[in-house]
Amino acid sequence: AQSVSQHNHHVILSEAASLELGCNYSYGGTVNLFWYVQYPGQHLQLLLKYFSGDPLVKGIKGFEAEFIKSKFSFNLRKPSVQWSDTAEYFCAVFTGGGNKLTFGTGTQLKVEL
Amino acid sequence: DTAVSQTPKYLVTQMGNDKSIKCEQNLGHDTMYWYKQDSKKFLKIMFSYNNKELIINETVPNRFSPKSPDKAHLNLHINSLELGDSAVYFCASSQRESYTEAFFGQGTRLTVV
Repeated sequence: AQSVSQHNHHVILSEAASLELGCNYSYGGTVNLFWYVQYPGQHLQLLLKYFSGDPLVKGIKGFEAEFIKSKFSFNLRKPSVQWSDTAEYFCAVFTGGGNKLTFGTGTQLKVEL
Repeated sequence: DTAVSQTPKYLVTQMGNDKSIKCEQNLGHDTMYWYKQDSKKFLKIMFSYNNKELIINETVPNRFSPKSPDKAHLNLHINSLELGDSAVYFCASSQRESYTEAFFGQGTRLTVV
């Protein structure tokens, strides 16, 4: 069965520190990959997505992610985090012919002033 | 206009009751989902409908019954509510063939007492 793994469950950083959140998926076919963010008490919002082409994708709020096919990975990065980036981050992949968006377990990021 | 709207936003009810959560999307998408987010923030797909047809039914108790009167609506009815049903339920929609991102509703926080 397809699965998505996020290895960092809780991350605490100081403002201006760099961020990298890991995401690995297990699915042999073509994948469409996403990172979603959930701010406290809110719904999920799309940060960025990868369908094809340039494996380095840029999203909103200075986030970017790199798709490495050989490693089945889609890690999220940001050079300098802000306090307002405190949120839960979810990696996700479309499988099942587009009928199922499978999420990782999420990473809770806390940015301290 | 809200793309995916669900009502109510909060629902507090006693064990044994029957309740419904409504979801509507105005994006013209053909696929709608229900996700359950537990206290650990884990997002698990419950159901997926494509053009009013049930496509995915994960291991969900049959007390949960989705209903899709048309492709813009996917309601969730829950019978005989249990304490363990307490969670945040998210409705989402996407366009299946293009594998575009899923748009999420604001969530319904269900508390069973």
